[in-house]
Amino acid sequence: EVKLVESGGGLVKPGGSLKLSCAASGFAFSSYDMSWVRQTPEKRLEWVATISSGGSYTYYPDSVKGRFTISRDNARNTLYLQISSLRSEDTALYYCARDGNLDYWGQGTTLTVSS
Amino acid sequence: DIVLTQSPATLSVTPGDSVSLSCRASQSISNNLHWYQQKSHESPRLLIKYASQSISGIPSRFSGSGSGTDFTLSINSVETEDFGMYFCQQSNSWPHTFGAGTKLELK
Repeated sequence: EVKLVESGGGLVKPGGSLKLSCAASGFAFSSYDMSWVRQTPEKRLEWVATISSGGSYTYYPDSVKGRFTISRDNARNTLYLQISSLRSEDTALYYCARDGNLDYWGQGTTLTVSS
Repeated sequence: DIVLTQSPATLSVTPGDSVSLSCRASQSISNNLHWYQQKSHESPRLLIKYASQSISGIPSRFSGSGSGTDFTLSINSVETEDFGMYFCQQSNSWPHTFGAGTKLELK
């Protein structure tokens, strides 16, 4: 059974940093591209990062480029999202998802940016 | 960026109705369009990939069609478990974008 479990969310002050994790199991993690998608309080979905299976390629929208860094540890079957210079608009539920067509999603971890 | 426009925003239906949800892209995306269902307090679930390809475990009443800029998700005979939000997403070009969603609700 494919399982994705996110962790690391919390309450952070504007300008702060945080690292999210996603533990994967039930599939060959190193063979799949992986992504992070966030859902805003208004329920809008926004793709925020993708990393290739081997970790060589990463993609970001302009809205997070330079502040978000996606990475992975294929030996540990774990995906990461380092977020810095946090803004209130980064407040969201952050999901990790498998592959380019997001065929499996985790349950999400909540990030709240507030002073 | 490619903008995906979903319509209608809300669709009020009775179980047993057949419905069509629309997703229109601001430029051609070939068939690189995927549909997701999200029920209340749950994570999104992939329903249809690449416009019309079915997904294992998804009921056969869900089907997708379209290419280029116009896409449709059809539900043949809605069941009560189908109520929730439906989103489309394109993977044709970066950044990958989502539509704002269609809410399928009980009339």
